[in-house]
Amino acid sequence: DAGITQSPRHKVTETGTPVTLRCHQTENHRYMYWYRQDPGHGLRLIHYSYGVKDTDKGEVSDGYSVSRSKTEDFLLTLESATSSQTSVYFCAIRTSGSTGELFFGEGSRLTVL
Amino acid sequence: GDSVTQMEGPVTLSEEAFLTINCTYTATGYPSLFWYVQYPGEGLQLLLKATKADDKGSNKGFEATYRKETTSFHLEKGSVQVSDSAVYFCALFTGANSKLTFGKGITLSVRP
Repeated sequence: DAGITQSPRHKVTETGTPVTLRCHQTENHRYMYWYRQDPGHGLRLIHYSYGVKDTDKGEVSDGYSVSRSKTEDFLLTLESATSSQTSVYFCAIRTSGSTGELFFGEGSRLTVL
Repeated sequence: GDSVTQMEGPVTLSEEAFLTINCTYTATGYPSLFWYVQYPGEGLQLLLKATKADDKGSNKGFEATYRKETTSFHLEKGSVQVSDSAVYFCALFTGANSKLTFGKGITLSVRP
């Protein structure tokens, strides 16, 4: 158990509203990631962080922003949600010195109407 | 850029059948390779990994061998069970960009 908690686990919102998803870890790992999972696309990286206030874009970052003000929390924000952002969002952490394996949270299912 | 290609799915097998799921990759440098599994309603779990050429990863009866010459990491199991029904993802990691790149995943259904 890598101690990763995502919240909320389910959310339904309307187009144009802001949404923030939270990822919390209990073990102070440096690297944290946000992915989205969609049928036919697998998992695609949105943003990742390599330390407090250090973040970088992934392949599908448009429409998303992130913040990491504390080691344990990595927030994903949709400033103005669109229907194309309906998806399942997964947070993951990578342990220091690892050969690249990630440990994933349970996922947050977001529906934008 | 880095990429992972998995065979098209879904795959349906009878219990105790032999399983092969193909995975090939394109990467700069020397990637680590992974298979992840996602059971219904859950997040992804690491199934097995290999970090250098000719390494064989194994777990829960599944195996995959890192083949640099064919840039492949095919997943195999000699006798599947109903409980193996899940989505399987092949992935690669290179330290250069600190990112894990996934294939599209393949759904396996095993019938009794």
